Amino acid sequence: GQNIDQPTEMTATEGAIVQINCTYQTSGFNGLFWYQQHAGEAPTFLSYNVLDGLEEKGRFSSFLSRSKGYSYLLLKELQMKDSASYLCALRKAGTALIFGKGTTLSVSS
Amino acid sequence: SAVISQKPSRDICQRGTSLTIQCQVDSQVTMMFWYRQQPGQSLTLIATANQGSEATYESGFVIDKFPISRPNLTFSTLTVSNMSPEDSSIYLCSGLGATDTQYFGPGTRLTVL
Repeated sequence: GQNIDQPTEMTATEGAIVQINCTYQTSGFNGLFWYQQHAGEAPTFLSYNVLDGLEEKGRFSSFLSRSKGYSYLLLKELQMKDSASYLCALRKAGTALIFGKGTTLSVSS
Repeated sequence: SAVISQKPSRDICQRGTSLTIQCQVDSQVTMMFWYRQQPGQSLTLIATANQGSEATYESGFVIDKFPISRPNLTFSTLTVSNMSPEDSSIYLCSGLGATDTQYFGPGTRLTVL
């Protein structure tokens, strides 16, 4: 298995910055992915990392350290609409994504 | 991004019956997958739908319970057989696009009474 761990819940306020961590144990993978899922909707792709380091996409950034088995998703300038579940996932070559349990983020005013 | 549609979007079924869910993807998709998302949970991979051959199932899922077809590149079906209330869940079709990104259909919300 790939034992992907994330915090279950997080809370933050509008305008703040929040970091959602993801740790994993696996023998190897092609990429680490982050998805956003609003209640009652399908997951939507946010970001992914193949190499170590930071990938920035607007208000969202994702970081990967393969040696530490660690990734995080950074959300800046939080908005109420960012209240959602954030899913960390891994994919090995030629296979489907395997998801962690997800982190439910609540943004308050 | 790939376009993925599913039908039905939701259904309420009686115990012991079967439901077939259809998934249509656009031509950008190479691989197709089926996931289940139980209430308040994350996504669990059921199987990889292989074109023209038997699907590849994950541990805990079997063909007799979840038969899957993929007759061509862009279409797949998942059947939930002999349903029980424990099968109440959202079933999601997913496709792997050309940029190695996986996309999801809108899901089928199944309630078994």
